[in-house]
Amino acid sequence: DAGVIQSPRHEVTEMGQEVTLRCKPISGHNSLFWYRQTMMRGLELLIYFNNNVPIDDSGMPEDRFSAKMPNASFSTLKIQPSEPRDSAVYFCASSLGTGQGYGYTFGSGTRLTVV
Amino acid sequence: SQQGEEDPQALSIQEGENATMNCSYKTSINNLQWYRQNSGRGLVHLILIRSNEREKHSGRLRVTLDTSKKSSSLLITASRAADTASYFCATDTGRRALTFGSGTRLQVQP
Repeated sequence: DAGVIQSPRHEVTEMGQEVTLRCKPISGHNSLFWYRQTMMRGLELLIYFNNNVPIDDSGMPEDRFSAKMPNASFSTLKIQPSEPRDSAVYFCASSLGTGQGYGYTFGSGTRLTVV
Repeated sequence: SQQGEEDPQALSIQEGENATMNCSYKTSINNLQWYRQNSGRGLVHLILIRSNEREKHSGRLRVTLDTSKKSSSLLITASRAADTASYFCATDTGRRALTFGSGTRLQVQP
């Protein structure tokens, strides 16, 4: 298995533009997570899905952020419009379940810079 | 807010020495996990310890858990330059996704 695959690895965009981050989880994993990492706030959970259904989106900063998981092998995180404060590394992770003692497998992340 | 807080924030040791990192958390947990992150990479799962366990070993890693003190420690024995990374604890309450601490940056000097 190639692991959790994220694209793009790096994204530089201008303020106000739409940004779409993509994630392919490990086949067979039922849970998918989006985290954001910054120096100031560390790793923050944005949203997670179980069996393609959003379970907890309380970490999504505001309405500018949206996430979808149309099938078990693909998820997107969209920011529209983007702002400089959205600059961060965005990680996708997947696991066999949530709250059942499974470890997470992380992708390599997308480094987003909004100028 | 952070559920887990690591201590120290940064640690620098010589190759061959042991490295100890601590994690404190606030609420009851089902299990606690440790992850490593190399610069510019994603997090890698190292070890998981359940709330009814007190100590666990995996290779050069030793993890302890004290639920009465709400704390855990990660010991890396006979450290190597390749162990240089950030280490994070993550708590699993069973009610939502993992909550990660702020991390300890470990530098192992060759």
